[in-house]
Amino acid sequence: EPEVTQTPSHQVTQMGQEVILRCVPISNHLYFYWYRQILGQKVEFLVSFYNNEISEKSEIFDDQFSVERPDGSNFTLKIRSTKLEDSAMYFCASSETGTLEYNEQFFGPGTRLTVL
Amino acid sequence: GNSVTQMEGPVTLSEEAFLTINCTYTATGYPSLFWYVQYPGEGLQLLLKATKADDKGSNKGFEATYRKETTSFHLEKGSVQVSDSAVYFCALSLNTGFQKLVFGTGTRLLVSP
Repeated sequence: EPEVTQTPSHQVTQMGQEVILRCVPISNHLYFYWYRQILGQKVEFLVSFYNNEISEKSEIFDDQFSVERPDGSNFTLKIRSTKLEDSAMYFCASSETGTLEYNEQFFGPGTRLTVL
Repeated sequence: GNSVTQMEGPVTLSEEAFLTINCTYTATGYPSLFWYVQYPGEGLQLLLKATKADDKGSNKGFEATYRKETTSFHLEKGSVQVSDSAVYFCALSLNTGFQKLVFGTGTRLLVSP
């Protein structure tokens, strides 16, 4: 069964460093998402991406964050200068379609980011 | 704003016990409602959904009914199994735009033999 994969499963970094979290969505999906969950808090929407551009982003997704689909398979989230408060589990998701008629989002297992 | 509130966990039950996990929501407009489940080491999986008032979603013995009058979508199962141990997330999506999901905090369920 096709699945969304994410690498690495756990990333430890120093404050101020850049990190790139990687995701491989399901191959025929066209809509991509990043969510995050700070320990003990809600899963929060960060950004959605379609047709090589951001379609929606939350207030969390500031200039320190960027997303890219560098090739036909990967979808990345970059944090330019990490802060302690960026420590969280980051989930990637993809869906076949994205508008109006609900289409299921398939989630990856997550990357746990720890900023020291 | 749009938000989802779930009961605090963990919920600890013995096998074959009845399960209820409460979920209430606040939304502008008419959302679709979902329950996602996360098993250890895995991603979130869609468990069930309901797209309009009075709809009942069901899957794997789990059920939830979209109650517009009480803005609730409580998850129930008549007889839980050890294999149901997981974290359960209630979520909503507004039926406009790109369908971003708004999640609750998740409720951990622990089922003992």
